[in-house]
Amino acid sequence: GQQLNQSPQSMFIQEGEDVSMNCTSSSIFNTWLWYKQDPGEGPVLLIALYKAGELTSNGRLTAQFGITRKDSFLNISASIPSDVGIYFCAGPINTGTASKLTFGTGTRLQVTL
Amino acid sequence: GAVVSQHPSRVICKSGTSVKIECRSLDFQATTMFWYRQFPKQSLMLMATSNEGSKATYEQGVEKDKFLINHASLTLSTLTVTSAHPEDSSFYICSAGKGSLAGQFFGPGTRLTVL
Repeated sequence: GQQLNQSPQSMFIQEGEDVSMNCTSSSIFNTWLWYKQDPGEGPVLLIALYKAGELTSNGRLTAQFGITRKDSFLNISASIPSDVGIYFCAGPINTGTASKLTFGTGTRLQVTL
Repeated sequence: GAVVSQHPSRVICKSGTSVKIECRSLDFQATTMFWYRQFPKQSLMLMATSNEGSKATYEQGVEKDKFLINHASLTLSTLTVTSAHPEDSSFYICSAGKGSLAGQFFGPGTRLTVL
């Protein structure tokens, strides 16, 4: 089945630093979604990408849809303590049902003051 | 915005009992809702797709007789974990769809602990 691998698995950064994480797939995706999950909560959509090469920003967050359609990147600039959480990429499960999602393995972000 | 609620937020039960979890879309109607399970330090895994007025469709490896899903209305889906065992302890998250991939809104999750 489709697998989404994220790296790094976890990261500790200092407040103010920029963060970069990526997501790779074993097959082509036509949509990439990035979510953030706070501890004990459900995931919240951050950015949606629909076209190869697309670069989209949401505040301090910027995500890119890779040209090969097999990867995507998420960058966070000037991190703050509330950026702590788990970041997941997600894409459609290839069963013909457009609205089913598969999630990546996640990147756990911890910010130190 | 679109708000999805889950009830209860936490539940502890004895092994062998059944537990019902509710998922509600509060400000929109959802013909499709999804149920996910998340074990500690792992990703969300889709369990089943809940369709209003019809039977749920289950992902491979998920026992439909153990995880009963009822989508009785356009705003409510329930997941019943029957004869729960300690290995069913997990974080169960639902989402409600508004028709597109980016239009899935997630509930806050229900933490199930089976003793």
